[in-house]
Amino acid sequence: NAGVTQTPKFRILKIGQSMTLQCTQDMNHNYMYWYRQDPGMGLKLIYYSVGAGITDKGEVPNGYNVSRSTTEDFPLRLELAAPSQTSVYFCASIPQVGPVELTEAFFGQGTRLTVV
Amino acid sequence: KQEVTQIPAALSVPEGENLVLNCSFTDSAIYNLQWFRQDPGKGLTSLLLIQSSQREQTSGRLNASLDKSSGRSTLYIAASQPGDSATYLCAVSGDSWGKFQFGAGTQVVVTP
Repeated sequence: NAGVTQTPKFRILKIGQSMTLQCTQDMNHNYMYWYRQDPGMGLKLIYYSVGAGITDKGEVPNGYNVSRSTTEDFPLRLELAAPSQTSVYFCASIPQVGPVELTEAFFGQGTRLTVV
Repeated sequence: KQEVTQIPAALSVPEGENLVLNCSFTDSAIYNLQWFRQDPGKGLTSLLLIQSSQREQTSGRLNASLDKSSGRSTLYIAASQPGDSATYLCAVSGDSWGKFQFGAGTQVVVTP
């Protein structure tokens, strides 16, 4: 059981380049999330999804896009990378155990992105 | 907007002492609260989840309390060990969509 897997672990981008951060989970969780963590700060929600085909913005969505074509995968796309997007990105998933009941969150190991 | 604060930002204790980590939040209308552990360069690991209807949760040496009316949660770690050295994050969810507001964390060092 691999849990939540993120690739790549590290990446350096030049300003203006684009890339996709991959996230996949093998626990059949409907709820998935992308967060970013800046040094000394708490994690901030970028986008989330409550199921295949359903996505919505979080607190800091500008400069990012997501898609959710399958339950397992939730890629995050960065278009026209900017230095302000230098951060550590975490993907997470949560199982839904009842109509409105969620349990603990599972996080990936993170992707450390530097934009120069 | 929900604000989550963790004080202190850093804490150093000798092995064997009990740890007390604080989390405060501004909006008492929460869905649940979760405590996480983060090791350097690693992802987050869930330690304890407290639903809004609960007052506390326990797991081994860990105990977390929740007081919604005062906007506070406390994580107690009994008889600390060097392996408890990590950053501890508090996160609050305001609805059933699982969207968290995180505190900045408390960095804990337990010295042998």
